Amino acid sequence: GNSVTQMEGPVTLSEEAFLTINCTYTATGYPSLFWYVQYPGEGLQLLLKATKADDKGSNKGFEATYRKETTSFHLEKGSVQVSDSAVFLCAPKGDNFNKFYFGSGTKLNVKP
Amino acid sequence: DTEVTQTPKHLVMGMTNKKSLKCEQHMGHRAMYWYKQKAKKPPELMFVYSYEKLSINESVPSRFSPECPNSSLLNLHLHALQPEDSALYLCASSQDFMGAQYFGPGTRLLVL
Repeated sequence: GNSVTQMEGPVTLSEEAFLTINCTYTATGYPSLFWYVQYPGEGLQLLLKATKADDKGSNKGFEATYRKETTSFHLEKGSVQVSDSAVFLCAPKGDNFNKFYFGSGTKLNVKP
Repeated sequence: DTEVTQTPKHLVMGMTNKKSLKCEQHMGHRAMYWYKQKAKKPPELMFVYSYEKLSINESVPSRFSPECPNSSLLNLHLHALQPEDSALYLCASSQDFMGAQYFGPGTRLLVL
């Protein structure tokens, strides 16, 4: 069946550290891939997206590349800030993800 | 304008009350969603409207009743809720099923 797997958190990093949050999915089709971010006490915000293989989505210093061969969409940032502390949710969406569900979310804590 | 608005921001209700949550978007999106989010969990899909018609109901109890009066508005009518229904209720919209979803800030509901 279709599913999405995110690395478990929380992830705790020092400011300016490199961030990777893994996301892999299983699908029989070609979903569009999204990362959402949820800051404390707020709703979800679209962070970035990619709609086809090898596309790279980027926003606010975060990047993720649609890797069809490994069915992954890992989120990266070269230098995190305290203000990046949030929950990050991976969300494939498309023909075979018609149930519109999110990954379990990964909480990021960035310490000064 | 990429804003989805939700009212009220907070709601406290008793188990015998009837209340409604409201959601509005003016992006011309034709798909609208209700999600329920419990603390430290990802959002769970409840309902999807497409072109003002209910297209997905994720086996939600009948004490939750959605309504889409027009293409910009989405309501969630609440009646005889249980304390376990206390959660953050998120509304979202997208251009179509393949597109990114844009979320409102949510209504934080407490059922006493």
